[in-house]
Amino acid sequence: DAKTTQPTSMDCAEGRAANLPCNHSTISGNEYVYWYRQIHSQGPQYIIHGLKNNETNEMASLIITEDRKSSTLILPHATLRDTAVYYCIVMTGTASKLTFGTGTRLQVTL
Amino acid sequence: NAGVTQTPKFQVLKTGQSMTLQCAQDMNHEYMSWYRQDPGMGLRLIHYSVGAGITDQGEVPNGYNVSRSTTEDFPLRLLSAAPSQTSVYFCASTRSGKNTGYTFGSGTRLTVV
Repeated sequence: DAKTTQPTSMDCAEGRAANLPCNHSTISGNEYVYWYRQIHSQGPQYIIHGLKNNETNEMASLIITEDRKSSTLILPHATLRDTAVYYCIVMTGTASKLTFGTGTRLQVTL
Repeated sequence: NAGVTQTPKFQVLKTGQSMTLQCAQDMNHEYMSWYRQDPGMGLRLIHYSVGAGITDQGEVPNGYNVSRSTTEDFPLRLLSAAPSQTSVYFCASTRSGKNTGYTFGSGTRLTVV
């Protein structure tokens, strides 16, 4: 699976959009970009995934660059409850295991 | 639909004791896996399974055994607990080949004294 690089931490004001970047320059053509988050002490939660098109669901939007070497997870109106560690994971759609990196710690403040 | 259920939620063991962490899912997911998370650290894969009767080692398998006799259950056994196994353990599952996200349990917090 391709390696990802994420900033260690980010801050965001409540109500503003949180834009979390991820670099995955060695991504293969059949690998998807997945995003998970882990709120303190809880199990990780799946957020969204995509292959090459931008994706949106009720939680977030995922923007993937045309060359697929980087992506951005967007939380359009961050709340205090979005404070968590966000993990960007690149893997094939049929992969049987997840490999977590260190993620980005997002702190949403008043 | 309960999702992924882990029991117990908390456990204290003495060094050398053995125990089994239970994980059950009711979503008919083929893939299941176990992770441990040490304080301030990321999740590391212990063992995983792609279906009943099939298991494989992850990144940190030493000191742990697994079996998968049914699709629903994937227990993790600590053979002889050591203080280094103090951690939070998470179980996860997903449907095979459907390109969907994993569902995680709420975790088991284990302390070995």
